[in-house]
Amino acid sequence: DAGVIQSPRHEVTEMGQEVTLRCKLISGHNSLFWYRQTMMRGLELLIYFNNNVPIDDSGMPEDRFSAKMPNASFSTLKIQPSEPRDSAVYFCASSFVGDQPQHFGDGTRLSIL
Amino acid sequence: AQSVTQPDIHITVSEGASLELRCNYSYGATPYLFWYVQSPGQGLQLLLKYFSGDTLVQGIKGFEAEFKRSQSSFNLRKPSVHWSDAAEYFCAVGLYSSASKIIFGSGTRLSIRP
Repeated sequence: DAGVIQSPRHEVTEMGQEVTLRCKLISGHNSLFWYRQTMMRGLELLIYFNNNVPIDDSGMPEDRFSAKMPNASFSTLKIQPSEPRDSAVYFCASSFVGDQPQHFGDGTRLSIL
Repeated sequence: AQSVTQPDIHITVSEGASLELRCNYSYGATPYLFWYVQSPGQGLQLLLKYFSGDTLVQGIKGFEAEFKRSQSSFNLRKPSVHWSDAAEYFCAVGLYSSASKIIFGSGTRLSIRP
């Protein structure tokens, strides 16, 4: 079975540009989580969805960040405009509500110059 | 507030030696408990989980963990480590009240001495 698929694996762009990170859930999963990992702050939950509905977005750092689930199997995390402090590894994970655990993708390493 | 503490930032053990990584949690009820491992450049992989029942849980790659309610701990153990076990290890707590949201500890980096 395919795991959680993230794209791109690496993204380098200049500050001010729009960045879109993509995530495909494991088939049958109905919860989706976006995390950010940095050396300074560790692994932070940004937002999570159950059945396509955002449940908790308290971890989203600013209005520059937005996340959507246009359908049950796909999600995007968008940063507009991007800033150098957004540089991090962004992970998405999926699970089935009531039957944890979460399964992680390999992450997107984002560098904002 | 719920929290997870991994008191050891970095541990080095010799290949073939036993390993114990510590994890303590703060939560008002019996939580879901997890250990994940992260190799460089990779996502997190689940090693094992505890939901209920037997407090000694077996996982993949020869790892086990024991839930001790009286100590609010969920320590990870392996009787004999291999060089390939070098990685970052994360303990995590799942919250009944928040669907499947989980909170991660800060991680313990494991190095293996040849």
